[in-house]
Amino acid sequence: GAGVSQSPRYKVAKRGQDVALRCDPISGHVSLFWYQQALGQGPEFLTYFQNEAQLDKSGLPSDRFFAERPEGSVSTLKIQRTQQEDSAVYLCASSLNSFPRLNTEAFFGQGTRLTVV
Amino acid sequence: GESVGLHLPTLSVQEGDNSIINCAYSNSASDYFIWYKQESGKGPQFIIDIRSNMDKRQGQRVTVLLNKTVKHLSLQIAATQPGDSAVYFCAEIRFSRFYFGTGTSLTVIP
Repeated sequence: GAGVSQSPRYKVAKRGQDVALRCDPISGHVSLFWYQQALGQGPEFLTYFQNEAQLDKSGLPSDRFFAERPEGSVSTLKIQRTQQEDSAVYLCASSLNSFPRLNTEAFFGQGTRLTVV
Repeated sequence: GESVGLHLPTLSVQEGDNSIINCAYSNSASDYFIWYKQESGKGPQFIIDIRSNMDKRQGQRVTVLLNKTVKHLSLQIAATQPGDSAVYFCAEIRFSRFYFGTGTSLTVIP
């Protein structure tokens, strides 16, 4: 596709349920990021991949959050035993080059809005 | 602490006027800064970036100014149009992370 694609667009989960959020980055993009955006707030960093290597996962809020990018393209963010505070928009972004580098634009997907009830 | 914040959470401007959105940051060890525009229900969209060793950078209808002395960043939008209505974030880039501020909501009055 022409841009970063995320699915599903909306997800409602019951508390305690596991969820998996998918990100299809732009083809050939080396860098992939996951961000969490609470309502009315700026996005908060979760994790960063360079190809299949997860170089930074320090933003993951707990061990219930797990991300993978096994073949260096599609990535999945998994949240186990979801809690109400996990409700947010989860944004994925990809970039052609490794970060950081000026003029290396990161393209964001539309996000997955997760609501935990 | 380390933070990227915005002076004004909301801004309303008349169509055709110039807009100025401000951003303060507290960590001087950043690599560069990016301004993003986010429309409702969409992901952030890149507007313009500036390296930490630059003072000014211009794009199409937009100019970013960086004042490292006071750790201040601004985005100027010339001849603001209704399509410019959105939330604007400044993001500070350090290592492999974007640090986003809370955002400023810009409303353009026709």
